[in-house]
Amino acid sequence: DTEVTQTPKHLVMGMTNKKSLKCEQHMGHRAMYWYKQKAKKPPELMFVYSYEKLSINESVPSRFSPECPNSSLLNLHLHALQPEDSALYLCASSQTDRDPYEQYFGPGTRLTVT
Amino acid sequence: DAKTTQPPSMDCAEGRAANLPCNHSTISGNEYVYWYRQIHSQGPQYIIHGLKNNETNEMASLIITEDRKSSTLILPHATLRDTAVYYCIVRALEGGATNKLIFGTGTLLAVQP
Repeated sequence: DTEVTQTPKHLVMGMTNKKSLKCEQHMGHRAMYWYKQKAKKPPELMFVYSYEKLSINESVPSRFSPECPNSSLLNLHLHALQPEDSALYLCASSQTDRDPYEQYFGPGTRLTVT
Repeated sequence: DAKTTQPPSMDCAEGRAANLPCNHSTISGNEYVYWYRQIHSQGPQYIIHGLKNNETNEMASLIITEDRKSSTLILPHATLRDTAVYYCIVRALEGGATNKLIFGTGTLLAVQP
């Protein structure tokens, strides 16, 4: 199984809402990532988790709060977002964060903030 | 990580080989060349990577010049399903470098019937 799953596929939320994005993989990977992709732009790294610990935060605003409850799950908690946060949020995983091998990406969650 | 330069778009006829160039003139000796692609509204998909030697897998071939300043991704028999944005990424792995992908703007490959 080389699949990374993400739920929900689509999410519409107001600026005062709290919501969460979920990512799951069962490949035994110990590194997991969140990327943000605006329309017609390349993906941009947000966070890296290595062995369930946050290892990189690319200066992401605190209204985005990642969580890695176990080695298979990665969440992104959203609170008080702005309309400019509307984007495709991609999750990825790899064997570790220190190897030359590929990252496997999920299909993404398309987020619209109203 | 070294910066890459790719043409913004290319066309290819179905069934023909697609040759996608990437310039990485500032690449250093410990940096790998990776290729990913992103089909519309999907997550990026790994294609291939290499350090110095040419590489081939079931999806594509990667040709790296001897001076390593440029590379070409070859899709031998392009199909309509290969229409996607192709990203060339250069990154180092030695010294404990984190598996961090810095995507450039990529090349939109349009395969024509």
